[in-house]
Amino acid sequence: GQQVMQIPQYQHVQEGEDFTTYCNSSTTLSNIQWYKQRPGGHPVFLIQLVKSGEVKKQKRLTFQFGEAKKNSSLHITATQTTDVGTYFCAVGGATNKLIFGTGTLLAVQP
Amino acid sequence: EAGVAQSPRYKIIEKRQSVAFWCNPISGHATLYWYQQILGQGPKLLIQFQNNGVVDDSQLPKDRFSAERLKGVDSTLKIQPAKLEDSAVYLCASSLAGLQPQHFGDGTRLSIL
Repeated sequence: GQQVMQIPQYQHVQEGEDFTTYCNSSTTLSNIQWYKQRPGGHPVFLIQLVKSGEVKKQKRLTFQFGEAKKNSSLHITATQTTDVGTYFCAVGGATNKLIFGTGTLLAVQP
Repeated sequence: EAGVAQSPRYKIIEKRQSVAFWCNPISGHATLYWYQQILGQGPKLLIQFQNNGVVDDSQLPKDRFSAERLKGVDSTLKIQPAKLEDSAVYLCASSLAGLQPQHFGDGTRLSIL
């Protein structure tokens, strides 16, 4: 079956440092979504990417979809303590369902 | 716009007992999802409904789990009998259609003693 891996599993940064998480799939994707889950909270939708090589920005967050549509990245510039949480990618393939990745837990030290 | 409503927020039961969760999706959302999220892991899809029909239930342990969405709106998820490994947060989500952005409820945290 389809496998979705995220790296790293955990990242600890100083406030102001940059952060990147990667999402890798074993199969070609139709789309990819990114979600953020704060500690004790529920996943919240951030962005959706559908085109090969697509890049989208939301303030300090930059999302990229790989040219081969098998991977994606989320980059945060100058992290803040409000960025703390787990970032999940969710991928859509041949079927009409999303599969969530393993997540990257981001800790930001003030 | 009202969000996805779930109840109860917390539930503690003993193993072999039964439990039921309720979800009311965002109005107009045709697709409803139930996820199981074990601590430290990503949400695992249990079942996906399109209106009142099942789209995918391949990861639903059907010997103990059941779900229904009779009128294409509210949904219930039941576990009977519960096992220790069912301890998790059960999340309900809805979207306009499959592969569209999902909106999650606050979840039900289930503890099995």
